[in-house]
Formats: sequence, C-alpha cells, structure tokens
Amino acid sequence: SYVLTQPPSVSVAPGQTAAITCGGSNIGSKAVHWYQQKPGQAPLLLVYDDRDRPSGVPERFSGSNSGNTATLTISRVEAGDEADYYCQVWSDRRTVDSGWVFGGGTKLTVL
Amino acid sequence: QERLVQSGAEVKRPGASVTFSCETSGFNFRSYFIHWVRQAPGQGLEWMGISPRNVADTSYAQKFKGRVTMTRDTSTRTAYMELSGLTSDDTGIYFCARSTGTGGRFDFWGQGTDLTVTS
Repeated sequence: SYVLTQPPSVSVAPGQTAAITCGGSNIGSKAVHWYQQKPGQAPLLLVYDDRDRPSGVPERFSGSNSGNTATLTISRVEAGDEADYYCQVWSDRRTVDSGWVFGGGTKLTVL
Repeated sequence: QERLVQSGAEVKRPGASVTFSCETSGFNFRSYFIHWVRQAPGQGLEWMGISPRNVADTSYAQKFKGRVTMTRDTSTRTAYMELSGLTSDDTGIYFCARSTGTGGRFDFWGQGTDLTVTS
C-alpha cells in the first residue's frame, strides 16, 4: 500500500516560516491535499490539489509538490496555527489496497 | 450553508455492532460522495471507505472489508456506516466527510462521533 511520511513534529517561532513535508513515492504525480486539525475539532481543508486554497484560508498557507516530496508552507506563523497537519492522496484503484491515504500527521508547535 | 451533523457518542461491548449516521444539509446530497474516516485516541486519520452516488461503487479500505457497511438514504439526505465485530481497537472518533468525486478533496466534515468499546 502507498505510504505517506510526515515528521511527527515541527517547531517554529511566531512570525517565522514553517515547512511541513509529506514524502511518498513519486508523490509529485499525485494531487495532494492538506488538512489542519485543532484539538477536539474535525479536520479542516487547508490546501487542495497541491497548491489551491479554499475560500477563507489565509494566503499564509501554501503548498507545493514535486518528485517524492510535497510541502505545506506556513508563512508568518501565528499562535493560532498550532495544530496537527495531515497530507492526503488518492492511491491508485488498480491496486488491491487502494483508496485514500493520510500521512501520519505533524504537530506544529509555536514557540 | 453546507453541514454534516453526526449522531451522538456510543458505548459498546466487544463483539457488538454500531451504526453511525451523518445527516447532511445545504447541498445536493445526490451529487456528492460521503467518506468515513476514523481517528484512534492520540493517533492520526484513517480512511475507512466511501459511499458514492452510485451504491454499486461503494468501496472500503482493505482493513475494514467484511466488517463495515456504508449506505445512504437520499430521502433523508443521510449517510450511514455500520461497523461490526467491535474490539477495543475500534475505540476512537469517527468522522464523515464529503467530496465531489472519488479522488476529490474532503471539503466539509462532520463534527465526529465518539465510540468507546469496553467490557
């Protein structure tokens, strides 16, 4: 089955830039979606199709995807950005274990 | 305004079955796929399966095949998921979410339903 690898944690000072990576075999050929989840809440779509943002999501959140790594970049980090972040891709239906795959999640800590 | 409202918390014994519901409003239920995702305590997100517009296209993650059944009632705009043969490993939060297609993003989510499996 397809595996997405994220760092368990990322720490950043307020006002700085955070980069959260999502590694997968040839992930650059897939559409990657990113979600933010705060404690006790449902996940929230943050970035879709590698780099697009739903309405209402600040421009501080951006995505990129190439080769074996997709990246979520958060500019000018704020205390309110502290949350868990998950990447997601669709795994080819032609395989036995196809379906949606989530990365293990990355906890962003704002110092 | 798009909404997915899930049923209340459940407590079940090992070996039992549970049915979750996901009532939708604010969008054309027939045009969207409904997914189910679970989250074990302190763990990440795990996709369980999809309830598409065409029931014949229902698809489950390999891990849950044989134990899960996803259905939908267009008259009440509600999606359902039944999980059988419960064990303590099934304890967690279960979310429903919608997408426009099999490979589409999950743009709206339900609030989640807590399931506790305990003897």
